[in-house]
Order: sequence, then structure tokens, then C-alpha cells
Amino acid sequence: GDSVTQMEGPVTLSEEAFLTINCTYTATGYPSLFWYVQYPGEGLQLLLKATKADDKGSNKGFEATYRKETTSFHLEKGSVQVSDSAVYFCALQSGGNEKLTFGTGTRLTIIP
Amino acid sequence: GAVVSQHPSWVICKSGTSVKIECRSLDFQATTMFWYRQFPKQSLMLMATSNEGSKATYEQGVEKDKFLINHASLTLSTLTVTSAHPEDSSFYICSARDIRGYEQYFGPGTRLTVT
Repeated sequence: GDSVTQMEGPVTLSEEAFLTINCTYTATGYPSLFWYVQYPGEGLQLLLKATKADDKGSNKGFEATYRKETTSFHLEKGSVQVSDSAVYFCALQSGGNEKLTFGTGTRLTIIP
Repeated sequence: GAVVSQHPSWVICKSGTSVKIECRSLDFQATTMFWYRQFPKQSLMLMATSNEGSKATYEQGVEKDKFLINHASLTLSTLTVTSAHPEDSSFYICSARDIRGYEQYFGPGTRLTVT
């Protein structure tokens, strides 16, 4: 079945550091890939997505590229801010199925 | 933006009792709502998919008689945990799919503790 393997946290970085959170997946066919972010006390919010190979999703300075050959969708940001502190979830959606399959989440803490 | 609320945000109940959790889409209509369960340091696991006006579809291994789901309107779905036991203690999250698209919007979650 479908699965998502996500970099374990927690991750602690200094402000303005470079961020990478690794995500790899296993799925049949050609899934859509997502990154969700959950700020303290709030629901998951869609951060970015990519629907086909080589697509790059981007939002709020975050980027992730759909790599079919390595079945990966790593999240990156060039210069993190304290406000980026949150839990980040990688997820996939297979074919026409509405179901989302999530990774375990990575807690990111940015220190000033 | 699209907002989904859950009530209560936190509930404690005694073993053997039932508890109802509400999920509301506040500014959009949702024909489909999803219920997830999240254990500490683990992923969100889909429990069931509910469609307005029809029976919910449960994932394998989820007891439909224990986790009753009702989706009576385009803005409200409820999850009732019946005869709760300590092992039902968890974080329950709902999401709603906007009738006009395919994106899911998530509620903030409900923490259930069964004593």
C-alpha cells in the first residue's frame, strides 16, 4: 500500500539557517504530493503541493520538487524564521482517491 | 480562507461512557468530511470518510459500531466514540473537502482522554 517516510525530528535550527526535511514515498501509479504545516493550536494547513514529476511546489519561501526517480519530495527553505516553528507533514494522494496518506510529522523549532 | 472548527478541543470522560465530537465547516460547504486519529509521535491515520446524507466508509480495522459518524448537513459531521476505553485516548482530527474543489481543510483537533 501507499506509505510516506519522513525525516524524524525534532529539528532545531538557528534563525536564517538552511532547512531540509526529507520525505520519500511508496505508491502505485503517480500520486500527488503535499506538505502540510501545523502551527501550535491550529489545524493542518496546506503549505505546497506538486501533482506530477519534476513539478516544484513553493509557498512562503518553502520549496519541494517532485522527484519520481528517487520517489522523494524534500522540503527546503533557504533562510528560516522563528515564525516557521511548527510541525510539518509530508503526504500523498494516489490517483483519483481522495484519501491522504501522511508521514509521521517533523517538529521544527527555530531559535533566535 | 476556509475554516474548519472542532468542538470540544479537549475532553475527558470516564471509561464506558460515550463522547461526541463535532466538526464544522464555517464558511464553505463540504459534501465529504474525513476523520483521522493521531497517536503521539505518529502519523495521522484515516479512520473514515463521511459523505453528506449517506453512510460513512470506514477504513480497515476501524470498528464502525464503536466510532459512529454522522454527516447530516453540508457543514457538520459528528464522531461519537461509544463505550470509550482508555485505549481510545487519542487526538482526533477532522477535515472537510470544499464542495467546489478537492482541497481538504483541517480542523484543529480534539484531544480525548478516557480515564
